[in-house]
Amino acid sequence: QSELTQPPSASGTPGQRVTVSCSGSSSNIGSNSVNWYQQLPGTAPKLLIYRTNQRPSGVPDRFSGSKSGTSASLAISGLQSEDEADYYCAAWDDSLNGGVFGGGTKLTVL
Amino acid sequence: QVQLQESGPGLVKPSETLSLTCSVSGGSISTYYWNWIRQPAGKGLEWIGRIYSSGSTSYNPSLKSRLSMSVDTSKNQFSLKLSSVTAADTAVYYCARDRCSSCKLEFDNWGQGTLVTVSS
Repeated sequence: QSELTQPPSASGTPGQRVTVSCSGSSSNIGSNSVNWYQQLPGTAPKLLIYRTNQRPSGVPDRFSGSKSGTSASLAISGLQSEDEADYYCAAWDDSLNGGVFGGGTKLTVL
Repeated sequence: QVQLQESGPGLVKPSETLSLTCSVSGGSISTYYWNWIRQPAGKGLEWIGRIYSSGSTSYNPSLKSRLSMSVDTSKNQFSLKLSSVTAADTAVYYCARDRCSSCKLEFDNWGQGTLVTVSS
């Protein structure tokens, strides 16, 4: 059982806006920034959002992140077929003095 | 562009020690945190631990009693040892670099991953 809770699945049609939630606690999301990873089948994860709402170079601005209290969200606008992947949130946990991942959300583009 | 490559045995017997090395090329291992993450087949990511270039470590509490990490700056490599393995330790093991020295879980460079199977 993960310290961060994500819905196991999400879906949307091309062009739609979808959000993926990540729920944590005061010792992780409540105290630290959140990072998001995209994992395509058979590949290593890729950093999508860091420090809650920052995009690495090369990541389209269709991807955005936010946080409120002990929950965070990843939003994908203008959904495209290539966005079909697994998405993971991650944050440092001060109580554990270690990193924690969410269980992952499988995004399907219908 | 920094590249990371995991290496080590793909098959480990139960109760033995899993040993992996991550070789870093295209950049220095100094002044960064280097991490290990694993992923059982069909499951999510689990952070194993990290080591700074100075040798300072942080470990996942659930693995801490069996875990050891080291760094060899002369070879630009860092390593993982996990003792007393069971089938539950079967996974793809990734090494990854934190984006900056003050970053936590901001992995901008990843190895391709290596499958380690625990079986007799």
